[in-house]
Amino acid sequence: DAKTTQPTSMDCAEGRAANLPCNHSTISGNEYVYWYRQIHSQGPQYIIHGLKNNETNEMASLIITEDRKSSTLILPHATLRDTAVYYCIARGTGNQFYFGTGTSLTVIP
Amino acid sequence: GAVVSQHPSRVICKSGTSVKIECRSLDFQATTMFWYRQFPKQSLMLMATSNEGSKATYEQGVEKDKFLINHASLTLSTLTVTSAHPEDSSFYICSASLGASGNTIYFGEGSWLTVV
Repeated sequence: DAKTTQPTSMDCAEGRAANLPCNHSTISGNEYVYWYRQIHSQGPQYIIHGLKNNETNEMASLIITEDRKSSTLILPHATLRDTAVYYCIARGTGNQFYFGTGTSLTVIP
Repeated sequence: GAVVSQHPSRVICKSGTSVKIECRSLDFQATTMFWYRQFPKQSLMLMATSNEGSKATYEQGVEKDKFLINHASLTLSTLTVTSAHPEDSSFYICSASLGASGNTIYFGEGSWLTVV
């Protein structure tokens, strides 16, 4: 599975959009990009995933570059409850999920 | 949406004893389940992949005789920590998948194990 790199931490003002980047320059054509978040002492929560096209759901939007070497998770209106560690994962046919270090997002009042 | 449930959420056991953690997929049949361990302020580390009806595949460095995994049905996988020691104290998390790479993987709530 492709390795992903994310900034260690980010801050975002409450009510503003949070843009979380992820690099996956070695991603292969059949690997999906998944985003999860983990609030302290809980299991990871699914946010969104995509292969090539941009995706949007009730939680977030996922923007994948045309060459698929990077992506951005967008939380359109961050709230204090969005404070969490966000993980970007590239998942291939091997089916396993390998977690990187993630981005610790702090939403500031 | 799909739900994965773990039990117990917290367990304390004495050093040298064994403890079992259950992982259930509540509204779908999971062909594959995964077990992770997470130490404080660290990321999740994949321990093993559990396929229904076959032996689990362990990640490098994970002792299969210490962490026994059973996936007897499409809705239940168990992790047994045998002869537990204080260094096994950790947050254990399971996840379940329908199998195909484009499908979502759902995670359980996690189980805190404290070995005293």
